[in-house]
Amino acid sequence: DSGVTQTPKHLITATGQRVTLRCSPRSGDLSVYWYQQSLDQGLQFLIQYYNGEERAKGNILERFSAQQFPDLHSELNLSSLELGDSALYFCASSPRTDSPLHFGNGTRLTVT
Amino acid sequence: DAKTTQPTSMDCAEGRAANLPCNHSTISGNEYVYWYRQIHSQGPQYIIHGLKNNETNEMASLIITEDRKSSTLILPHATLRDTAVYYCIVRVNYGGATNKLIFGTGTLLAVQP
Repeated sequence: DSGVTQTPKHLITATGQRVTLRCSPRSGDLSVYWYQQSLDQGLQFLIQYYNGEERAKGNILERFSAQQFPDLHSELNLSSLELGDSALYFCASSPRTDSPLHFGNGTRLTVT
Repeated sequence: DAKTTQPTSMDCAEGRAANLPCNHSTISGNEYVYWYRQIHSQGPQYIIHGLKNNETNEMASLIITEDRKSSTLILPHATLRDTAVYYCIVRVNYGGATNKLIFGTGTLLAVQP
């Protein structure tokens, strides 16, 4: 158990809808990272937050947004969903920027 | 961050050592070598990392060549539960800035009974 908690584990929704994925980092970890893993793309970095502020952006679509709250949990919001957004979404956390990342077990999103 | 090259797949007999190679010929002096693995559809799991010295922990050993252009992850006694995709990643550890990991395609290690 990495100590990173992601909810829900599974999510099924229709095209055009909006969903929110939640991540609780390990106790004391200030950084949160979001990754997307689809069958044909591998693990893609989306975005990083550090202590509530956006630190880095990767290949995140404009339809996607994220935030990190004062209690350090993070949410990834996906809107106007398309079939191609079906994927595993992973959250990771680390205490400092020079520490290893520890990943949660992901949320499997299915868009129908 | 420097790119890495890993074999697509490898087999290993259960109980034997698994040696997973990684080439990172363009690595910079301040880049660390990280190893993660992903067991089917689970979150990636941190294994080990190092800069230039060899490292060992309860999971594995990391051997980095003197010129740092390649490394080998060693699982001393592979079990069926070690079947996974293993990712070798190089990354700068700078404080105060992003330390995102960029994953490649990794090596699928299949441990055979």
